[in-house]
Amino acid sequence: QKEVEQDPGPLSVPEGAIVSLNCTYSNSAFQYFMWYRQYSRKGPELLMYTYSSGNKEDGRFTAQVDKSSKYISLFIRDSQPSDSATYLCAMSWMDTGRRALTFGSGTRLQVQP
Amino acid sequence: KAGVTQTPRYLIKTRGQQVTLSCSPISGHRSVSWYQQTPGQGLQFLFEYFSETQRNKGNFPGRFSGRQFSNSRSEMNVSTLELGDSALYLCASSLGSGGAIETQYFGPGTRLLVL
Repeated sequence: QKEVEQDPGPLSVPEGAIVSLNCTYSNSAFQYFMWYRQYSRKGPELLMYTYSSGNKEDGRFTAQVDKSSKYISLFIRDSQPSDSATYLCAMSWMDTGRRALTFGSGTRLQVQP
Repeated sequence: KAGVTQTPRYLIKTRGQQVTLSCSPISGHRSVSWYQQTPGQGLQFLFEYFSETQRNKGNFPGRFSGRQFSNSRSEMNVSTLELGDSALYLCASSLGSGGAIETQYFGPGTRLLVL
C-alpha cells in the first residue's frame, strides 16, 4: 500500500463547476500538506500548503486537512479551462532538519468550456 | 528572477549506458532536490542536497547518485541504465533554511528514454 493514495482520474467537469480533489495517507508523521499543479510538459508548481487540520482559502482554491481521518482535499470553485492540469498532493515531515516530500500519483483534471 | 533550469530537456540512451543530468537552481537557493516521475509510480523523491552535502535520500539503488557544487548547481548521475529508468527527472530548488515549510520550485524536467 502506498503512503499516499490519490485517484488518478481523469476527472472531467464543465466550466464553472466546483471540483473536489482528494488524497488519503497512512503515515501519521506527516505534518505539512501541499497541493501542486502540473501542466503538460511542465514541472509542478505549488498551489497551497497547510500545516494544521482545518481549511485554508486562496482565491478560488480551498485546501482542507482532516488529520484524524488522514484525508486532505482541494476544492476549486468556478473552475476554468485553464485549470485543466494534473493536481498532485504532497506531504512532508521534519526530521532533525531534513525534509522528505511524498507525493500522490496525481489526478488529471479536464475542465470543458 | 530566473527559474530553475534543467539540461538537457530530452535524452535518449541505451541500456547499460550512464547519464548525467544538470540542474541550476534559482539564484540564492541552496537546496536542490531531485525527483523521478513515471506514470506508474508518480513522483518519487531521489535525494536532496544542501551546501554540497546530501541531506536526505529516497529509496533508490546506488546507481542513482548526485552532487552539488559550491554555486548550488547540482548534477545527478544514473549508471548502468535500465529500461525502467525511463522517466521525467525533476529538479526542485528551495532556500534551504530548514524552516517548517519551504516552497520548492520545480524545473521543467529532463525526459529520459532508455532503449
